[in-house]
Amino acid sequence: DAKTTQPTSMDCAEGRAANLPCNHSTISGNEYVYWYRQIHSQGPQYIIHGLKNNETNEMASLIITEDRKSSTLILPHATLRDTAVYYCIVRVDGYGQNFVFGPGTRLSVLP
Amino acid sequence: KAGVTQTPRYLIKTRGQQVTLSCSPISGHRSVSWYQQTPGQGLQFLFEYFSETQRNKGNFPGRFSGRQFSNSRSEMNVSTLELGDSALYLCASSLGVASYNEQFFGPGTRLTVL
Repeated sequence: DAKTTQPTSMDCAEGRAANLPCNHSTISGNEYVYWYRQIHSQGPQYIIHGLKNNETNEMASLIITEDRKSSTLILPHATLRDTAVYYCIVRVDGYGQNFVFGPGTRLSVLP
Repeated sequence: KAGVTQTPRYLIKTRGQQVTLSCSPISGHRSVSWYQQTPGQGLQFLFEYFSETQRNKGNFPGRFSGRQFSNSRSEMNVSTLELGDSALYLCASSLGVASYNEQFFGPGTRLTVL
């Protein structure tokens, strides 16, 4: 079973920041938080991941709360091409641990 | 660097047949994972291979099998196809199996079973 809960859907205006929340209240100290997105019928695209500290890359920022029970993915300037299903996943540290995908959040970026 | 490639992209089979799907990982990646995606069940993990060894397996019947070759390319096979096997089959590769290694997905093979 997925260890995360996310809103089923969200809307965001084009050009504005999209903030996608994720709850992972049972996360352990050695579990990573990963974000992927999937645009209709394509393979999931890696966005970002982190353990404890906030992370930023060219696509997005990941803000992890101090207690690590929740995180937020931030797309700073959403475009129509960011419309997709976004998956938040926690992955246990260690070898041979697969990704468990939940239903994700369907983000619609509106013009 | 080329991404993960999967062949074929589309496939139509009939019940009872078998099918083999192929995945070529990103150059230098040694771990390959397979997933099945259906509208009802979402993305579900099938199995993971590393250095030609199956490291992890999801909850799928024995009709689903896979293997990995010495060049890290992988194949998965589904025997005695059922209608419910119609799905998008996704392959993902990563440098290794550690949790900090992100997985990169291919475009998938869409299998339709008639």
